[in-house]
Amino acid sequence: EVQLVESGGGLVLPGGSLRLSCAVSGVTVSTNYMSWVRQAPGKGLEWVSVVYGGGTTFYADSVRGRFAISRDDSKNTLSLEMNSLRTEDTALYYCVRDQSGGGGMEVWGQGTTVTVSS
Amino acid sequence: EIVMTQSPATLSVSPGERVTLSCRASQSVPSTLAWYQHKPGQAPRLLIYGASTRATGIPARFSGGGSGTEFTLTINSLQSEDFAVYYCQQYSRWPRTFGQGTKVEVK
Repeated sequence: EVQLVESGGGLVLPGGSLRLSCAVSGVTVSTNYMSWVRQAPGKGLEWVSVVYGGGTTFYADSVRGRFAISRDDSKNTLSLEMNSLRTEDTALYYCVRDQSGGGGMEVWGQGTTVTVSS
Repeated sequence: EIVMTQSPATLSVSPGERVTLSCRASQSVPSTLAWYQHKPGQAPRLLIYGASTRATGIPARFSGGGSGTEFTLTINSLQSEDFAVYYCQQYSRWPRTFGQGTKVEVK
């Protein structure tokens, strides 16, 4: 069974940084499309970033240049380094495993909450 | 980026009814379209991928259709556990994009 467990969320000041982690079991991060998706309070789902293959990455326009996705193949973990945080980055952040080849988002963690506020 | 537009924003229905949700893409995404169900306090759940293929364990009352820019999700004989928010998402191009969601609520 595939399990994804996020951690690292918390309260941070605007302009600050935070690093989210996702512990993955049941699949190997290095051979899967692994994504982050977020949901701001009262809003819909927003895709944030993906890493796959040899380390190919893509980002939503709203986070490009501020966030960096990475994976640690030896620990089988996914990470999201978030810098220059804004109040609009406040959200529940989900770690997600995509279907093989990058199809639908098949397995979701329970999420970790990030609050950016002064 | 590809903009996904869902309609209506809210559907008020009674259990047992049939409902159809719509999703439109701002440009063609062939059949690279997924639908998700999201309930409060839970992680989203993949319902449909490839526009019309049910994901593992999804009941047959859920069906997806369409291709190109116009898509539908139909729920036959709505059950109490189906009241939720439904999102479409394209995975044709990066960045992936979701629709804004359709809330299916009790009438």
